[in-house]
Amino acid sequence: KQEVTQIPAALSVPEGENLVLNCSFTDSAIYNLQWFRQDPGKGLTSLLLIQSSQREQTSGRLNASLDKSSGRSTLYIAASQPGDSATYLCAVGDNDMRFGAGTRLTVKP
Amino acid sequence: DTAVSQTPKYLVTQMGNDKSIKCEQNLGHDTMYWYKQDSKKFLKIMFSYNNKELIINETVPNRFSPKSPDKAHLNLHINSLELGDSAVYFCASSLRAPGNEKLFFGSGTQLSVL
Repeated sequence: KQEVTQIPAALSVPEGENLVLNCSFTDSAIYNLQWFRQDPGKGLTSLLLIQSSQREQTSGRLNASLDKSSGRSTLYIAASQPGDSATYLCAVGDNDMRFGAGTRLTVKP
Repeated sequence: DTAVSQTPKYLVTQMGNDKSIKCEQNLGHDTMYWYKQDSKKFLKIMFSYNNKELIINETVPNRFSPKSPDKAHLNLHINSLELGDSAVYFCASSLRAPGNEKLFFGSGTQLSVL
C-alpha cells in the first residue's frame, strides 16, 4: 500500500528566502505526483502536476521535481513571500490519489 | 462561478442523527470523490465515482453512503452519526479516471458531532 511522507511537518522562514519542501513515497508505480496548497479553512488548490514520465514542472516561483526511482519529489519555492504561508501537500496518483500529511509553511515579513 | 461547490460549509449535529452533504461540479468532469481530513490534517480518500459508478470504496463504515444522481453531483449521506465522524469532508473532481488527472477541490464541510 502506497505511503506518502512529507518532511518537515512545519517550516518557518524569513521573507525572501528560497526553500525546499520534501515528499517521499513507497511505491514507484505511479501515474503522477501533484503538489497542492491549502489555506486555513479552505479547500486544496493544485499547484503543479508532474506526470510519471516527467522530471520536473515549473510555474512562476515554484518548481517541482520528481525522481520515481528513489520515490522522492521536492517543491522549490524561490524568493518566498508572506502570501506563500499555507500548508503544502503532495499526493501521488496510482489507482487514486494518496496524500501526505503536509508541511505547514510560515513566511515571516 | 465556483468549480466544485459543496454545502453546507458547517454542520453541527448530535450523535445518532442522519445528515447529508451535497457536492456539485460545473467542470464537465467524469470523476468525483469524497475525502475526509481528520484533526491531524491527514487527507484520506473515502469514495470515488466515475460517470455515476462507484470505482473506489475505501474502508469506510457502511453508515456512509454516497449517491451520484448524475456525473455532476456526488452527495454523501451519513447515518447514525458518531463522535469520530467529526472532521472536514472535501468533495473533489477530475476530468477522467482517478490517479491520472489534476484534482479540483471544494472548500470543505466541517462536520462537528456533539
